[in-house]
Amino acid sequence: DQQVKQNSPSLSVQEGRISILNCDYTNSMFDYFLWYKKYPAEGPTFLISISSIKDKNEDGRFTVFLNKSAKHLSLHIVPSQPGDSAVYFCAAVVHNAGNMLTFGGGTRLMVKP
Amino acid sequence: SAVISQKPSRDICQRGTSLTIQCQVDSQVTMMFWYRQQPGQSLTLIATANQGSEATYESGFVIDKFPISRPNLTFSTLTVSNMSPEDSSIYLCSVERSAGWSTEAFFGQGTRLTVV
Repeated sequence: DQQVKQNSPSLSVQEGRISILNCDYTNSMFDYFLWYKKYPAEGPTFLISISSIKDKNEDGRFTVFLNKSAKHLSLHIVPSQPGDSAVYFCAAVVHNAGNMLTFGGGTRLMVKP
Repeated sequence: SAVISQKPSRDICQRGTSLTIQCQVDSQVTMMFWYRQQPGQSLTLIATANQGSEATYESGFVIDKFPISRPNLTFSTLTVSNMSPEDSSIYLCSVERSAGWSTEAFFGQGTRLTVV
């Protein structure tokens, strides 16, 4: 049973346009969400996070939106750059339950020049 | 943050052999995590390694196949035993830092294992 799902395995976007990566979850106990970026031959690196008490968190070109009622979060990258081409994983945490991350399946983003 | 050194970065191994992956953290941590990323798949947690006790394995993973050592608070090893081509994956070690609501995981660069 996948508790965190990224239904789009890949996404292609033109440079300068917006990239929107989506993530759905089923466990209503999740109270903290993270996005990670992974380049080939490297470990994932942290990008941005949001707690369940917020519905939006912004950091430069990256914004994460959380819709708790829909159990849905999304990552917006504006403007997209070729260097953003990577695999993006969303992850969710239940605090006070080990704090272990549950990852989605990943979305490969390709930003075309 | 945490700096994690993982080695080897890649290896090609014969089936039936074993490979031990090492993970060194630049600071003391209570728990270290081992993940597997099979081709085209997500990150799957194999086990959680606590210093001074046996590792806790997730469903589908057993100690005989993936023995883990945790001799101190900065180091851990994962062994992939009696390898088969199905074990070809990227293996990643990870640590987490929590502060209030914030939890962040830091990863090693991964070990790309190919079993032939």
